[in-house]
Amino acid sequence: DGGITQSPKYLFRKEGQNVTLSCEQNLNHDAMYWYRQDPGQGLRLIYYSQIVNDFQKGDIAEGYSVSREKKESFPLTVTSAQKNPTAFYLCAVMGGNSNQPQHFGDGTRLSIL
Amino acid sequence: GQQLNQSPQSMFIQEGEDVSMNCTSSSIFNTWLWYKQDPGEGPVLLIALYKAGELTSNGRLTAQFGITRKDSFLNISASIPSDVGIYFCAAPTGANNLFFGTGTRLTVIP
Repeated sequence: DGGITQSPKYLFRKEGQNVTLSCEQNLNHDAMYWYRQDPGQGLRLIYYSQIVNDFQKGDIAEGYSVSREKKESFPLTVTSAQKNPTAFYLCAVMGGNSNQPQHFGDGTRLSIL
Repeated sequence: GQQLNQSPQSMFIQEGEDVSMNCTSSSIFNTWLWYKQDPGEGPVLLIALYKAGELTSNGRLTAQFGITRKDSFLNISASIPSDVGIYFCAAPTGANNLFFGTGTRLTVIP
């Protein structure tokens, strides 16, 4: 969706290395989300943030960390503790009340070298 | 977390055919959303439904909010090759999150 920028599009990680995926939005939305998608699978929630300086664990937070220092930015770090990081990572934003849809970025594909 | 049950899991159809898929849950929802994901891209919102019994169209796509509020249906008429992708249903959890369906993978044979 326009207004949500994920970078890089492709990322490679070496064993034992931390990598950070970027998600930036210019939609002025409060809520931001990170999902993981494995091949042929649905979306699983990693972390989400409703407001600046606050975030909550999702269903599969282990091995990941996030920060929300600015409204526009919600970076995701895949740590070395995540033993199976190869996946497609999607960032989403949502504005307004809880019945509003989420809108997604174009994703980052992370692979292990 | 909870997931919505989508069926079928995959479909192979001839170009020009109509497509039907559905999403069911044991819980009641006030909103149903349908997304399409092209390969290597993020999901894009197709249709949002906010009222039980509501029938909403977006071009060749029509979605319905089930009267029981526990299900939703998506129909695609006269399919074309660019309809290929994964279709997800979603519904809000009430905590500003979404439950997602397991997805229906559509293949259109020219």
